[in-house]
Amino acid sequence: GDSVTQMEGPVTLSEEAFLTINCTYTATGYPSLFWYVQYPGEGLQLLLKATKADDKGSNKGFEATYRKETTSFHLEKGSVQVSDSAVYFCALVASGGSYIPTFGRGTSLIVHP
Amino acid sequence: DSGVTQTPKHLITATGQRVTLRCSPRSGDLSVYWYQQSLDQGLQFLIQYYNGEERAKGNILERFSAQQFPDLHSELNLSSLELGDSALYFCASSADRVGETQYFGPGTRLLVL
Repeated sequence: GDSVTQMEGPVTLSEEAFLTINCTYTATGYPSLFWYVQYPGEGLQLLLKATKADDKGSNKGFEATYRKETTSFHLEKGSVQVSDSAVYFCALVASGGSYIPTFGRGTSLIVHP
Repeated sequence: DSGVTQTPKHLITATGQRVTLRCSPRSGDLSVYWYQQSLDQGLQFLIQYYNGEERAKGNILERFSAQQFPDLHSELNLSSLELGDSALYFCASSADRVGETQYFGPGTRLLVL
C-alpha cells in the first residue's frame, strides 16, 4: 500500500540555519504530495503541495520539489526562524483511489535563538 | 484560523464511558474527515463523510461511529472507552469529495482515565 517515510526528529537548529527534512514515498501511479505544519496546540495547516513530477511547491520561504525518480519530496528552507518551530508532516494523495491522504509520522523542528 | 471548529477542546472521562466530539466544517465544504493522532500511531485516518453520506473508512474501531448532519456538521461518537483511546482527535474539511487539500480544526484532546 501507499506509505510515507520521514526522517525522525527532533531536528534542532539555530536561527538562520539551513533546514532539510527528508521525505520519501511509496505509491502506485502519480500521487500528489503535500507538506503540512502543526504548531503547538493547533491543527495541521497545509504548507505547500506539488501535483506532478518536477513541480516545486513553495510557501513562507519553504520549498519542496516532487522528484519521481527518487520518490522524494524533501522540505527545505534557507534560513529558519524560531517561529518555524513546529511538527512537519509529509503526505501523499494517490490518484484514482479514495483520495484519502497518507501521512508520515511527522518530524519535530526546534529552532533556538 | 482554518474555519473548521471543533468542540470540546479538552475532554476527560473514565474507561467504559461514551463521548461525542463535534465538528463544524468550513463554510461551503461538503466533506468532513476524522483523524486520530497519538504518539505511538501517528496520524490515523478514521472516516470520511461527503454531503451526509459515508464515503471512506479507515482504521476506525467498531466502538467508534460518526455521522454528518444535513447542516454538514459532523459528530464522532466513541463508546466503551479504553485507556488507549486517549489521543488528539482532529476533524478536517474539504470542498469536494476528492479532498486533496484539507483544512484541519484545532482538535479535541481526549484523556481516558
